[in-house]
Amino acid sequence: GIQVEQSPPDLILQEGANSTLRCNFSDSVNNLQWFHQNPWGQLINLFYIPSGTKQNGRLSATTVATERYSLLYISSSQTTDSGVYFCAVPIWDNNDMRFGAGTRLTVKP
Amino acid sequence: GAVVSQHPSRVICKSGTSVKIECRSLDFQATTMFWYRQFPKQSLMLMATSNEGSKATYEQGVEKDKFLINHASLTLSTLTVTSAHPEDSSFYICSARDSGAGIYGYTFGSGTRLTVV
Repeated sequence: GIQVEQSPPDLILQEGANSTLRCNFSDSVNNLQWFHQNPWGQLINLFYIPSGTKQNGRLSATTVATERYSLLYISSSQTTDSGVYFCAVPIWDNNDMRFGAGTRLTVKP
Repeated sequence: GAVVSQHPSRVICKSGTSVKIECRSLDFQATTMFWYRQFPKQSLMLMATSNEGSKATYEQGVEKDKFLINHASLTLSTLTVTSAHPEDSSFYICSARDSGAGIYGYTFGSGTRLTVV
């Protein structure tokens, strides 16, 4: 089945810094989602992004489907950005979502 | 937007007892719901796909008799962990797909943290 790999696995930032998280996938996909899992476990959908670039406040994401990767940019990071960021690929035929291993982000004040 | 309600959010039970977790789609109908398990500092792993009115489809390695899934209506799926043991302690998350929203319609519940003592 499709493989989803995320990097880096862990990231520690000082408040105010910028960061880029990467998601590689092994096969063609018709969509891709980025999630933030907060310390309480809630998964917050950040972006549906099959291709192109989207921005939402300090966050933006770019997916290059032909090269099978997606990037999540976090600018001017805040302590509330801490948590785990997952990318996931909906598998239409199997009707489920495959998650990457996640990037654990810690933003220090 | 679509909302999925999951209860309880946290449960502690004794070894050997059963625990039921509910997943409800509040403002849409979901013919398909998904159950995931997440161990500490790990990713979400799909356990089973719950289909309304039919048997659930379990992923390889997931015991059907231990994790009973019932999807009796278009808005409710339940996961029952039977004869729970400490190794079943985990974070369980459901998701539901809004059938009318196509592939964009995945929404996740807030999760249930199960601790078996």
